[in-house]
Amino acid sequence: QVQLQESGPGLVKSSETLSLTCDVSGYSISNGYFWSWIRQPPGKGLEWIGSMHHFGMTYYDVSLKSRATISIDTSKNQFSLKVTSVTAADTAVYFCARVHYCGGDCYSNFDSWGQGLLVTVSS
Amino acid sequence: LILTQPHSVSESPGKTVTISCTRRSGSIASSYVQWYQQRPGSAPTTIIYEDSQRPFGVPDRFSGSIDSSSNSASLTISGLETEDEADYYCQSYFSHIQIFGGGTKLTVL
Repeated sequence: QVQLQESGPGLVKSSETLSLTCDVSGYSISNGYFWSWIRQPPGKGLEWIGSMHHFGMTYYDVSLKSRATISIDTSKNQFSLKVTSVTAADTAVYFCARVHYCGGDCYSNFDSWGQGLLVTVSS
Repeated sequence: LILTQPHSVSESPGKTVTISCTRRSGSIASSYVQWYQQRPGSAPTTIIYEDSQRPFGVPDRFSGSIDSSSNSASLTISGLETEDEADYYCQSYFSHIQIFGGGTKLTVL
């Protein structure tokens, strides 16, 4: 059974870079799927940040305006997120998740999620 | 791509409730729609995928459908139980961009 676990600092200073890692167990990242980051500001809804396939295809939400970067390390079976120039608006619970890809522009559900990690941006 | 959900719905135990998810541009039928349940402090879990499929372990009280005439997807929960009280999110995609609806808070009272 696949398991995902986020790790990283829970407090980041404004204007600095947020860096998170998602460790994957029970499934090899190299076997497929898109590996994703999703966040949820306190009391608000889910916001997709971006997704990456181990072949290198990567897609991001335009609202982050190129501040986000996702990378995969197949040797460690983990993937990461960096968000630069953070502000208070980046305070959120950050989830890593796996989304099933059915080819072309076809996706199914985010079928596995980490438990989430609260990241607070302080001034 | 924008997915619009009602902010909240409420219904009594044993009754049936339907939550809508309206796609504002493009055809609802052109991309799969998924539905997630999220309880406070927990990660979302899939209750419907690919418009109307239920993952193993999800009760058949939960069903999903799409309606091209209203360009919307719907999640229907029958025989409401107090444990169904949660936030529900629809999700779809367009050109590899994933979108979540704003979420609907279901109150079972």
